[in-house]
Amino acid sequence: NAGVTQTPKFQVLKTGQSMTLQCAQDMNHNSMYWYRQDPGMGLRLIYYSASEGTTDKGEVPNGYNVSRLNKREFSLRLESAAPSQTSVYFCASIPGQGLGQPQHFGDGTRLSIL
Amino acid sequence: KQEVTQIPAALSVPEGENLVLNCSFTDSAIYNLQWFRQDPGKGLTSLLLIQSSQREQTSGRLNASLDKSSGRSTLYIAASQPGDSATYLCAAKTSYDKVIFGPGTSLSVIP
Repeated sequence: NAGVTQTPKFQVLKTGQSMTLQCAQDMNHNSMYWYRQDPGMGLRLIYYSASEGTTDKGEVPNGYNVSRLNKREFSLRLESAAPSQTSVYFCASIPGQGLGQPQHFGDGTRLSIL
Repeated sequence: KQEVTQIPAALSVPEGENLVLNCSFTDSAIYNLQWFRQDPGKGLTSLLLIQSSQREQTSGRLNASLDKSSGRSTLYIAASQPGDSATYLCAAKTSYDKVIFGPGTSLSVIP
């Protein structure tokens, strides 16, 4: 029962470094999301993918890029990390494009930018 | 612009007490309202989802209500247990790509 798997769980970067956060789901879900969670601010949507081959910007996309590699995998890339990107990043998925379906979340990636 | 707030930010209650967590949203045009639980260092676990046409949903000791006209949702937890200690978040879905999360209420149930 893996559900949504995120790697790595923790990462420390220096300002200007790049890295890719990986997300994979084994539930055959169509839609996938990337959020960031900051203290006192709830979760904010960075990018989402409604289906394989499509991606769209969310509320806070600046400084990030995404790739929907296939139906299972949705990666988030930081090209030049900045301290403001220190956060906990969550990947989520839902079965389809319907508005009434609950999201399933991974355990998160804790990212620190020095 | 939709804003979601949760009061209180933190709550501490003795074991066995019934409690209510509050969620408020500014725009009543929502498709659904979802309650999540988040344990420290973990992701979010969906507890209850209320469609816009529904008034409430129940699962075990949990009951969530939705009043779109007043912009409020409540999560009622009956007979609280120490295992209920976690952060509870609500989220309002305003369109396909927009789910607005509240900041969460941190609950501690004291044995």
